Amino acid sequence: DAGVIQSPRHEVTEMGQEVTLRCKPISGHNSLFWYRQTMMRGLELLIYFNNNVPIDDSGMPEDRFSAKMPNASFSTLKIQPSEPRDSAVYFCASSPGQGNEAFFGQGTRLTVV
Amino acid sequence: GENVEQHPSTLSVQEGDSAVIKCTYSDSASNYFPWYKQELGKRPQLIIDIRSNVGEKKDQRIAVTLNKTAKHFSLHITETQPEDSAVYFCAALPNSGGSNYKLTFGKGTLLTVNP
Repeated sequence: DAGVIQSPRHEVTEMGQEVTLRCKPISGHNSLFWYRQTMMRGLELLIYFNNNVPIDDSGMPEDRFSAKMPNASFSTLKIQPSEPRDSAVYFCASSPGQGNEAFFGQGTRLTVV
Repeated sequence: GENVEQHPSTLSVQEGDSAVIKCTYSDSASNYFPWYKQELGKRPQLIIDIRSNVGEKKDQRIAVTLNKTAKHFSLHITETQPEDSAVYFCAALPNSGGSNYKLTFGKGTLLTVNP
């Protein structure tokens, strides 16, 4: 298995534009997590899904952020409109289930100018 | 919800010395405690984990201890090497049943091992 795959690896966009980050979890994993990493706030959990269903989105900072998981092999995190303070590294991770290791993707480095 | 505190935020040691990173958690229902290592520009990767039914686990030069009564756990690295330099994150996962898989991370510790 290639592991958790995220795209794009880098994204530079102008303020106000829509940004879509993509994630393909490890096959067979039923939990998927979106994290945001910044120097100031560390690794913040934005949202997680179990069996494609959003369980907890309390970490989503604002209505500008939305996430979907239409099937077991694909998830998106969308920011619309984007702002400079959204600049961060966004990680997707997947896990076989409770009490098991979460495997991280390579991350998407987002820069909003 | 769970709150994980991690200390210190930075740690500098000489090669060959030991390094200790400590974490506390708030949710007594947490029962899974992984530690991740993140090298510069890379993804976090699991290095060791411990479950609440044991107090200590060791894997070569790294070990983790857990005190459930005090709600704290620690990472110990012995005989440190320059390649141990990275950011280390602790995390806690509550076992409250249902679909709660909310893995909460500490803020991280930047470990620098000086040759």
